[in-house]
Parts: sequence; structure tokens; C-alpha cells
Amino acid sequence: AQKVTQAQTEISVVEKEDVTLDCVYETRDTTYYLFWYKQPPSGELVFLIRRNSFDEQNEISGRYSWNFQKSTSSFNFTITASQVVDSAVYFCALIRNYGQNFVFGPGTRLSVLP
Amino acid sequence: EAGVAQSPRYKIIEKRQSVAFWCNPISGHATLYWYQQILGQGPKLLIQFQNNGVVDDSQLPKDRFSAERLKGVDSTLKIQPAKLEDSAVYLCASSKIESGRLAYEQYFGPGTRLTVT
Repeated sequence: AQKVTQAQTEISVVEKEDVTLDCVYETRDTTYYLFWYKQPPSGELVFLIRRNSFDEQNEISGRYSWNFQKSTSSFNFTITASQVVDSAVYFCALIRNYGQNFVFGPGTRLSVLP
Repeated sequence: EAGVAQSPRYKIIEKRQSVAFWCNPISGHATLYWYQQILGQGPKLLIQFQNNGVVDDSQLPKDRFSAERLKGVDSTLKIQPAKLEDSAVYLCASSKIESGRLAYEQYFGPGTRLTVT
């Protein structure tokens, strides 16, 4: 069975601090995809990144970066120089190769204080 | 490009009543998903369609929930009869197929907040 764990329920930081959101996953598949989604207070989930299991290169997009480590089954997300607009719930998710069994983690609520 | 549309945005019903939600995916997206998100939790997949066929409905409570996707476009999700524990946000998402394979990035609608009293 597939499972995604986000151990941090809530995180609070002060604006301009860096923050890392942890994601640990479980799967028996060798091919799978990992995702991060953002859910701001408005409620609509916004896609941030997709990573397939064969690509362990870290990725940076502006203030966002992702660290995928297959050896530890982790896909962590770092926001550099956080801003108030980053306040949201962030979900890590996992899907099997053929697009089935999409599983979301429980989410981490990030509060960035001015 | 228009996003995923859902209606209604809010619904309040009494237990044992029935309710239906509607979703219009992004044009050209072959795959459509319905999720249930209970307050404080991550979304839980209820059903996944590819065109008008069901790919995965393993977590759909089939004794009370039903869903259909007419002509591979719009979809409706129905609950009959509703229970208190069905209070949640119901999210619809869609994704396209690239090079014959699911693109997997899902685009979500604003959701329908259901309150069962």
C-alpha cells in the first residue's frame, strides 16, 4: 500500500526565514511520481512540482527548492526567504506509474508572520 | 484557459437527504477525479475517470455515493442518503494525457463545501 507522511503538522516562521517541509513516502513500486501542492486560505489546490522516481536531481524554482532522496524515501520542500503570501497548507502526494492510487499526505500548515 | 468549474460552492443539508455536485473539467482533459477533503486532512480520492470510464473507485462508499461522467466531459457526484460524517469539501480535479500517458499534474476546482446537519 502507498502512504505519504508529513510529520510536521504546523510550522510558524518569521518573514525572510528559510523553512523546510518534510515528506516521507512508502511504496513498493519502482516507478512512481511525487508531487507538492499548495492550498492557500482560498482553498484551491495549486500544483507546484512533479518528480518521477528516476530523476533524483534537486530542483530550484525561484525561492522554492526540492530535495528528492530515494535512499531515504524523502521528498523535502524548502522555501527560501519566506513571505507572508507563502502561508498555506502544503501537501505532498504520490501516484503510481499508470496514474492510479493518488495518495495525499496529511499536509503541513505553514504560517509566515510579518 | 478556463479552470475546473464546480457547483454549488456551498451546500447545507440534513442527514438522510440527498445531494449532487457538478464538475466541468478543463477542456481537453481526459482524466477527472473526485476527492473528499475532511477538515484538517489531505484530500482522499473517491473516484477517477478516464474519458467516461472508471479507472479507480476503490475508496468510493458505493452504498451511498455514486458518480458518472457523461460523454467524457462533465461529471456529477451524488450522495444518497447523506450522513453527518459526509461533511467535507468535495474537490474535482482534471488532468490531460501527454504522449499517450497521463500527465499526472492535476488541476483543481474551488470545491464544494458540504455541511450535513
